[in-house]
Amino acid sequence: GESVGLHLPTLSVQEGDNSIINCAYSNSASDYFIWYKQESGKGPQFIIDIRSNMDKRQGQRVTVLLNKTVKHLSLQIAATQPGDSAVYFCAENSRDSSYKLIFGSGTRLLVRP
Amino acid sequence: KAGVTQTPRYLIKTRGQQVTLSCSPISGHRSVSWYQQTPGQGLQFLFEYFSETQRNKGNFPGRFSGRQFSNSRSEMNVSTLELGDSALYLCASRLDPLAGAKVGNEQFFGPGTRLTVL
Repeated sequence: GESVGLHLPTLSVQEGDNSIINCAYSNSASDYFIWYKQESGKGPQFIIDIRSNMDKRQGQRVTVLLNKTVKHLSLQIAATQPGDSAVYFCAENSRDSSYKLIFGSGTRLLVRP
Repeated sequence: KAGVTQTPRYLIKTRGQQVTLSCSPISGHRSVSWYQQTPGQGLQFLFEYFSETQRNKGNFPGRFSGRQFSNSRSEMNVSTLELGDSALYLCASRLDPLAGAKVGNEQFFGPGTRLTVL
């Protein structure tokens, strides 16, 4: 079946370093991708999104890269801070007018002080 | 602007009972979606509503149902609860239900309702 998955279930980084969280998707029809951050006890928080007609999109301290050739998505966080510690999910939506996100299993980011 | 709100935040039920969860979307948002989050299955789409109509549905049994009111507020109901229904139920809203998935029409989540079935 179609699925979105993550390569690394847990990522530990030093405060101040850059973080890279990866995601592989299997549905070639997907054309919209989102990264969410979920802190303990909270719902997922939107970070950044990208459509398939783009390769890169930047936000505040975050960059999403999309490689459609290998169906790979990554989230780069610059100068990682303790507040970035959370579980990060990628999600995809297929190429139609509906909005039905398929989520990956999540990567836990731990920031060491 | 207030975010998505969900009530109650925590709920304990026993097998066989039914439960109703409530969600108020961000003001102006017309679409409400529901997701189930469990450690084993992750985040799974339940259904989406707008204009008081179910627009999309995930792969869940008929025990899971929902509805949306004219003010865009939504409720979901689970009947004949099973132990496996224990989960965090998340509601999300977005602005334009007809625009599809695109930049600027992102979906915002509420804090969730933690349901425990004993």
